Amino acid sequence: GAGVSQTPSNKVTEKGKYVELRCDPISGHTALYWYRQSLGQGPEFLIYFQGTGAADDSGLPNDRFFAVRPEGSVSTLKIQRTERGDSAVYLCASSNPTGLAIGTDTQYFGPGTRLTVL
Amino acid sequence: GDSVTQMEGPVTLSEEAFLTINCTYTATGYPSLFWYVQYPGEGLQLLLKATKADDKGSNKGFEATYRKETTSFHLEKGSVQVSDSAVYFCALSDLWGSNYKLTFGKGTLLTVNP
Repeated sequence: GAGVSQTPSNKVTEKGKYVELRCDPISGHTALYWYRQSLGQGPEFLIYFQGTGAADDSGLPNDRFFAVRPEGSVSTLKIQRTERGDSAVYLCASSNPTGLAIGTDTQYFGPGTRLTVL
Repeated sequence: GDSVTQMEGPVTLSEEAFLTINCTYTATGYPSLFWYVQYPGEGLQLLLKATKADDKGSNKGFEATYRKETTSFHLEKGSVQVSDSAVYFCALSDLWGSNYKLTFGKGTLLTVNP
């Protein structure tokens, strides 16, 4: 079946511009996560959705970053007034809670969106 | 806070060599442990996981054992192939903390030569 998809695969923008990154999770997965991976680093948590609501947005670096998931499926990560330091690969993952502790669930990752801010 | 430290790469091996990638962790609670792999041009994929002490995760000839006493989850494979060339990430989720959040190590690049 289809995995997690993310669009666009690459995004080049200029400093100060606004960007939107889209994530389509695996059908039926209620949990959705965004991570950011800088060059030479492991992914870092940004935000977690359970259904439509952001259960934890503590990883968002500042108020220029915002994410929504209005219908509990597709999610959009929005970055205002982009800065060069925002350049990274943005990863989306989804999981289907098994009823056991969610920490044991497998998160399925998309291919990522590479964002470059010039 | 939670953290994962893994062996720095790059690691270069010949085909059929034995592989070990070390991973140690710090967690405030009781973590589940994961190894993810990223093949060139592809997204992160779960390789194996272990959710309690002394559990062994295994997949595709790779193994890792959850050692609570040494806070380690080292990845091993007895005979690597060229197709194993990838970046390997150790990760944890802490069941007593924000247990949905994966904390990753920095990754280890493995190159296997024929």
